[in-house]
Order: sequence, then C-alpha cells, then structure tokens
Amino acid sequence: KAGVTQTPRYLIKTRGQQVTLSCSPISGHRSVSWYQQTPGQGLQFLFEYFSETQRNKGNFPGRFSGRQFSNSRSEMNVSTLELGDSALYLCASSLGGPRYSGNTIYFGEGSWLTVV
Amino acid sequence: AQTVTQSQPEMSVQEAETVTLSCTYDTSENNYYLFWYKQPPSRQMILVIRQEAYKQQNATENRFSVNFQKAAKSFSLKISDSQLGDTAMYFCAFMKYTSGTYKYIFGTGTRLKVLA
Repeated sequence: KAGVTQTPRYLIKTRGQQVTLSCSPISGHRSVSWYQQTPGQGLQFLFEYFSETQRNKGNFPGRFSGRQFSNSRSEMNVSTLELGDSALYLCASSLGGPRYSGNTIYFGEGSWLTVV
Repeated sequence: AQTVTQSQPEMSVQEAETVTLSCTYDTSENNYYLFWYKQPPSRQMILVIRQEAYKQQNATENRFSVNFQKAAKSFSLKISDSQLGDTAMYFCAFMKYTSGTYKYIFGTGTRLKVLA
C-alpha cells in the first residue's frame, strides 16, 4: 500500500511569489492535514481537510490556504512568500472518521521550501 | 489548552544500551491517544508507537515500549538494544477527538544520537 506522497520534494521560490504543494494520501484515507516544521518553531499545525471540507485551522495568516479534492488529494498554497516561510511542509493523512483508532496520522516525506 | 512537553532537547546512548525519552502533557480530557513519532535525517516522520489513554497496559512494539502514567500525565518512550538506525528526532504527540474532528499537539522533540 503506497504511503503519503508529497510533491515537489524541493523547491526554491523568490519573495513575493506563490507556491502550491501537493499531497496524495494513503488509499482510503479521507483526512489530510498539513504542518509546517521549522527549527525554531517545531511542528505547527496549518489545517486539516476531510471530505473536501476544512475541519480545523491553525494560527497562520490568510496567505496560507488549502483545499481538498473529491479523490482526497490535497493542495496547499502560500501566496506572497516571505523569507520566514522557508520550512519543511509535512502532509499527513488518516482515515479521519469519528473513531479514535482511525485517526492515527501517517506522514509524507515533506516538501522543502526555500524562499530567497 | 493541551500542552506537550519534552524536557530533553538532546540525548545520546551507546549502541545496544537502553535509553528513555521523557514526555509530559497537560489535559483535562479523559479520552485521548498518545504517540511517539521518529524523524530520522531523511526527515520523514514515522509512527513508532501509540497508546490509548483508556488502556492501562503499556504499549510495546518490538524494542520500543512506553511507560504510561495517566495520573501523572507522563508518557515516556524506552528504546532497548539501541541501534545506529535509531538516531533521529523523536516527537511525542497528544491527540483528542472533539466536535467532530481530531486535533494533534506535538512536543518540541528530543534529538537522540546512538553512538557506535
């Protein structure tokens, strides 16, 4: 069974540009969540989607947005990039239903974003 | 609000020895899950072990076991017979399910180095 797949793995952008990251969850998983990981801030929760609806959102500015498609694949977008957005962006998927046991999250390898 | 504290930023252990990583958390919830994730230099977060709060028995996965003390809100990870491949960042995480969705909170991590 394939794991969580994130693309692209590495990218470099310039300040002011925008970026879109993609995440394909484990087959059968309907929940996708996104995290930003930086050395100083650790793992910070961005948002979570389930069945194309955003269920949860972290404390990030509106420049960070996401969406989920009917096949559960998800994208996140960061507009007007700032130097501080340089980070590893991790996607995680889970079954997402109402049972605790179904909400163990499994991570992808991450997308390294460098803003110059 | 829930918090997760990992008080050991870095640890080292000799190969084949045993090491224990500490994690404490703060919550008023009664039903929740606790996790340990491992992030090796490759950066992919890997689930190590999971513990249901309603279970008194400590979870075990091969060389990895936990000491779950619910009253003390403590959840430590013991790694037996440490191997070089155990070198990684270890994150403790708390998960609760509420209002139709789930929420993960991660600690700041413990960097473990296994010495040959």
